[in-house]
This record gives sequence, structure tokens and C-alpha cells, in this order.
Amino acid sequence: NAGVTQTPKFQVLKTGQSMTLQCAQDMNHEYMSWYRQDPGMGLRLIHYSVGAGITDQGEVPNGYNVSRSTTEDFPLRLLSAAPSQTSVYFCASSYGLAGQETQYFGPGTRLLVL
Amino acid sequence: AQKITQTQPGMFVQEKEAVTLDCTYDTSDPSYGLFWYKQPSSGEMIFLIYQGSYDQQNATEGRYSLNFQKARKSANLVISASQLGDSAMYFCAMRNTGGFKTIFGAGTRLFVKA
Repeated sequence: NAGVTQTPKFQVLKTGQSMTLQCAQDMNHEYMSWYRQDPGMGLRLIHYSVGAGITDQGEVPNGYNVSRSTTEDFPLRLLSAAPSQTSVYFCASSYGLAGQETQYFGPGTRLLVL
Repeated sequence: AQKITQTQPGMFVQEKEAVTLDCTYDTSDPSYGLFWYKQPSSGEMIFLIYQGSYDQQNATEGRYSLNFQKARKSANLVISASQLGDSAMYFCAMRNTGGFKTIFGAGTRLFVKA
């Protein structure tokens, strides 16, 4: 059971380049989300999805797009990378929203935008 | 608005001693859940413990316990008998029951000394 997987682990981009961060889970979880982690700020929600075909914005959505065509996959797209998007990105999934349904996190993608 | 505050950027504890990591929260919703996660230097997010707002007893999971004081809106994590492997970043998080958005505190870095 792989859980939540993310690729790539590390990425360096130049300003203006585009890329897609991949996230997949094999636990048949309906709920998936993307966070970014910056020093001293904890994790902040970028976008989330409550099921295939349904996405919504989180706390810091600007500069990012998402789609959810399958239950398993939830890619995050940077259309035109900016240095402010240098961060560690975590994908997470959960089965439901009942009280103690915790999120399971992927290993993270470290992104550097020059 | 919901908010999580962790006032201790860093903490030191001697091996085998107990340590308390502070977390205060703010929400207007009566039903919510509180989570603690551990992030070791390897970067992954590990779920530790959960406390529901209507739970009558403080949550415990092995060496982890949650000191939940609802009236004071605090949910402190207590780690008993600290081990060197407990050295990590610890995040407090909250989610309103039935809601999706989880908010995180800025984290506390714990250093366990031999």
C-alpha cells in the first residue's frame, strides 16, 4: 500500500516556467488537498477537492490550478512560476470529514524558483 | 475566523523527561477537531493524536496525551519520557466538524538532549 505519493521530490524552475506537481493516492479517499509549507508559517491550504470533478480554493490559491479527473490523482499546476512560490508542497488525502478522520500526507515536493 | 497559535518556536527537553507543547485556538464553531502532527527532519507529516470538541476525556496515544481545556481554548500536547527520536517539528491543527479546511499553527521545534 503506497499511500500518498508525490513526484518529483525536488524541482528547480526559472521564473515564468510552468510545471505540474503530481499527487496520487491508492486508499480510495474522496478528499484531497494541496498545502504549501513556508518557514515560520506552518502549512497553508492551496486548493482542495471533495471528489472527482469537484475542486475549490483554499487559503492561498493564486498562481495555482488544480483538476480532479479521477479519485486517485490530484495534480497541482504552476502556470508561470514566481520566486514567491519557492516552498515545500504537500499533498494530503482523507477518507471523510467525520471528526477524527485525519489527513494522510505525501512526502512533499521541494520547489525552488529562481 | 479560525486561528491556531503555537507560541513556542523552539523547546529543549532532557531525554526521559516529559515536555508540554502549547497550542491555543480560536473558532466560533461549537464542533471541531484538534490534531497534532510530527514532522521529523526527513520532512514527512505524521499524525499523532486527535481530540474532538465534545470528547469528555483527554485523548491519549502511547506516550502522547492531549491536555484539552475547552474553556481556555487550549490543546497542549504532552510527550512523556522523551526520546531522542522525538526531536522534530510539531504542528497543532484544527478542523471544524464536517468542514474540509484544516488550519495549522506555525509549529514548535522540539530538541531532545541526551
